[in-house]
Amino acid sequence: QKEVEQDPGPLSVPEGAIVSLNCTYSNSAFQYFMWYRQYSRKGPELLMYTYSSGNKEDGRFTAQVDKSSKYISLFIRDSQPSDSATYLCATALNTGFQKLVFGTGTRLLVSP
Amino acid sequence: DSGVTQTPKHLITATGQRVTLRCSPRSGDLSVYWYQQSLDQGLQFLIQYYNGEERAKGNILERFSAQQFPDLHSELNLSSLELGDSALYFCASSIHTSGGAADTQYFGPGTRLTVL
Repeated sequence: QKEVEQDPGPLSVPEGAIVSLNCTYSNSAFQYFMWYRQYSRKGPELLMYTYSSGNKEDGRFTAQVDKSSKYISLFIRDSQPSDSATYLCATALNTGFQKLVFGTGTRLLVSP
Repeated sequence: DSGVTQTPKHLITATGQRVTLRCSPRSGDLSVYWYQQSLDQGLQFLIQYYNGEERAKGNILERFSAQQFPDLHSELNLSSLELGDSALYFCASSIHTSGGAADTQYFGPGTRLTVL
């Protein structure tokens, strides 16, 4: 079993839709939770990160962590064609070297 | 543009060969990380260097090695290449050494390695 599981998609939505991207993880010791966006033929870029449980909002993006169910979510409001990319969730421990453990990514396609 | 540069962009080679991938971190960043991205395994951490010294190892094969030079650029050496080594190899850099969420890693554009 992988430490972080993510549905590969693709997830196809029309422009303006609310998008929900999700991951589950197995190690309850993970404390940091991140979302990266990766455009085709580019490296991943950090979108948001949260510490422990709770919500964090940044513009059209909301990250949500539920540690009791080991569930990570990213919501995108008013999705745009420019949001079309692969979204990677990642987790890290809180002590020592915080190796990032990534999900395999969900490909999102937003059609105009 | 993240400020991290990687060369070459593409590399095609044969099984059994050896290749070197190069990475220049963002100006001011002391940590360099190497990752391998394949379709089935996703993005996997290989190794980290901080200011010239190895700081952490992940799922790096013995056939692979890396180093960070005094000017902070880094090289990843892959030897005795196998078909399964075909993947995207990313370099990332950060200011500090903790590697976690609070020490944002900036990724380069990657090197696509194809082993035939």
